[in-house]
Amino acid sequence: DGGITQSPKYLFRKEGQNVTLSCEQNLNHDAMYWYRQDPGQGLRLIYYSQIVNDFQKGDIAEGYSVSREKKESFPLTVTSAQKNPTAFYLCASKARGRSGELFFGEGSRLTVL
Amino acid sequence: AQSVTQPDIHITVSEGASLELRCNYSYGATPYLFWYVQSPGQGLQLLLKYFSGDTLVQGIKGFEAEFKRSQSSFNLRKPSVHWSDAAEYFCAVETSGTYKYIFGTGTRLKVLA
Repeated sequence: DGGITQSPKYLFRKEGQNVTLSCEQNLNHDAMYWYRQDPGQGLRLIYYSQIVNDFQKGDIAEGYSVSREKKESFPLTVTSAQKNPTAFYLCASKARGRSGELFFGEGSRLTVL
Repeated sequence: AQSVTQPDIHITVSEGASLELRCNYSYGATPYLFWYVQSPGQGLQLLLKYFSGDTLVQGIKGFEAEFKRSQSSFNLRKPSVHWSDAAEYFCAVETSGTYKYIFGTGTRLKVLA
């Protein structure tokens, strides 16, 4: 079945450590997205990518980095520069062309100890 | 810059009652508008979308939404709420041609038996 797979589902990190969240899709979608979700703040856009080897900053990119070396993969690294990284992270993808539905993964919950 | 406002953080309705969730957007041109629903700890699912044409759009699970350009609104409605509709609802806007997809802060719906 086609879909988006995020891993790990739960992740614990010590302060000062970088951590990478995986996002893989087999929908053949061109665009991929990373959102951060905090209670009462909705989904805030971190980074998005329209095509391979290209990505743009969203509204809260500071302290995060991404890469898009393959169409199906869009990993997110939460760096030690991110001051408050504890959150629920959602990856999504969308087909090229006329605007349409975002397909979401089930999310990764990161907790900084 | 584009933005989405959902003024109601929480809404409680009785089962069988009607529902209206408010959404206002800020964007110069006609945006692409969406409503999504999220169950706890999960990704988001598309309820309905508006691109152009008829301003009243029908979605899944008996939901509908009306686009009102003069009010910059895209409110979600359901004539009779079911207990299974309890979830968090997000309004979203995509800037046409940019792939940038922005969400509101969400409205959490509670349904009383």
